[in-house]
Formats: sequence, structure tokens, C-alpha cells
Amino acid sequence: AQTVTQSQPEMSVQEAETVTLSCTYDTSESDYYLFWYKQPPSRQMILVIRQEAYKQQNATENRFSVNFQKAAKSFSLKISDSQLGDTAMYFCAYRGNRDDKIIFGKGTRLHILP
Amino acid sequence: GAVVSQHPSRVICKSGTSVKIECRSLDFQATTMFWYRQFPKQSLMLMATSNEGSKATYEQGVEKDKFLINHASLTLSTLTVTSAHPEDSSFYICSAQTVHEQFFGPGTRLTVL
Repeated sequence: AQTVTQSQPEMSVQEAETVTLSCTYDTSESDYYLFWYKQPPSRQMILVIRQEAYKQQNATENRFSVNFQKAAKSFSLKISDSQLGDTAMYFCAYRGNRDDKIIFGKGTRLHILP
Repeated sequence: GAVVSQHPSRVICKSGTSVKIECRSLDFQATTMFWYRQFPKQSLMLMATSNEGSKATYEQGVEKDKFLINHASLTLSTLTVTSAHPEDSSFYICSAQTVHEQFFGPGTRLTVL
């Protein structure tokens, strides 16, 4: 069975700093999708970034980028120039190619300090 | 992006009553919707996969007679918590699947007294 592990329950960084959130996963599939979701205090789940496993190039979305290491099954999220609005719970997630079910990690609570 | 709504956003009910939560995809059709449960400060736990026109697929440990799911159309799935008890109090989130991603509803906070 697939699993997603986030080893950092909580992190705090100063505004404007760069922060990296860790995620590892386990799967026997070769084709799959990886996601980072943000859940702010409103609790609305927001897709931050998505990576297709067959793509070697790391996905980027403005200040957000990932370091996807397929062989190591690692998928970390880097937030550059962090902003107060980045304060949220961040979930790493996996979706296989055979079905649409998303498996979430336990989350990392990120605090951006002024 | 695509929008998914949930209704109600909050509901308080007495123990023993049933509560229905609606999940709608507003600007797209979704043959598959998902229902999640989230306890405070925890991750999302998938409860069931809702398929339009067919029975829902429940995850292990989720009581299908307790959590009734109906996916009556391509834009609407409902979750009914039957004979609710205080331990059913939680945050319930739905999502709707498009070709490439899932879009999440804003969630429903259920409190059972």
C-alpha cells in the first residue's frame, strides 16, 4: 500500500525567509502524481503544486517549487520569500495512476512570523 | 479553477438525528466525488468514493449504513450521517474529480450534541 510521510509536524520561519517542507512516500507504481496542498485557517484545501512522476523537471509555481527525487521517493516543497499568508497546514499527497484516490500525509503546520 | 460547494457549512444536531450534507460541482461535471473526514489538527481521512449512478465504495472501517452516500447526478453527491452521535462530530470535506485533479469543497463542520 502507498504511504506518505511528513516528518515535520510543525515549523516556524521569519517572513521573507525560505523554508523547505519534507515529504517521502512509498509506492510500487512507476507512474503517479504528487501534490502539495495548503489548508489555511479557513480549512479550504488549496492545491499549491503538482508533479507528474514521469516528468524529470521539478514543478514550480511562482514562489513555490519542489525537489522531486524519484529514486529516493522524496518530494520536498520549497517556499521562497515566505509571506504571512503562507501560514497554514501543508499536506503532501500521492495519487496513483490506476485510480483517483488521494493519499495524504499527516501534514506540517507552518507558521510565518512577522 | 473549478468550484465545489458544500451545504451546510455548519450544522448542530441532537444525538440520534440524521444529517445530510450536499456537495456540488458548480461549473463542471464530476463522475467521481470523494468524502473525507478531518479531526482537529489531523489529516484528511478518505471515507468513500462516490460514483455517479452506482454504489459508493467505502474505505475499510467506514460503516456504509452509518454514512449513506448518494451520487444522484454528475454535479451532486450527498452524505447522510444516520443516527448521529457525538463521536460523529467532525469536519467533513468533499472533493470532485476532473481529468487532472481534485477540487475540494470548503467543508462542513458537524457538531452532535
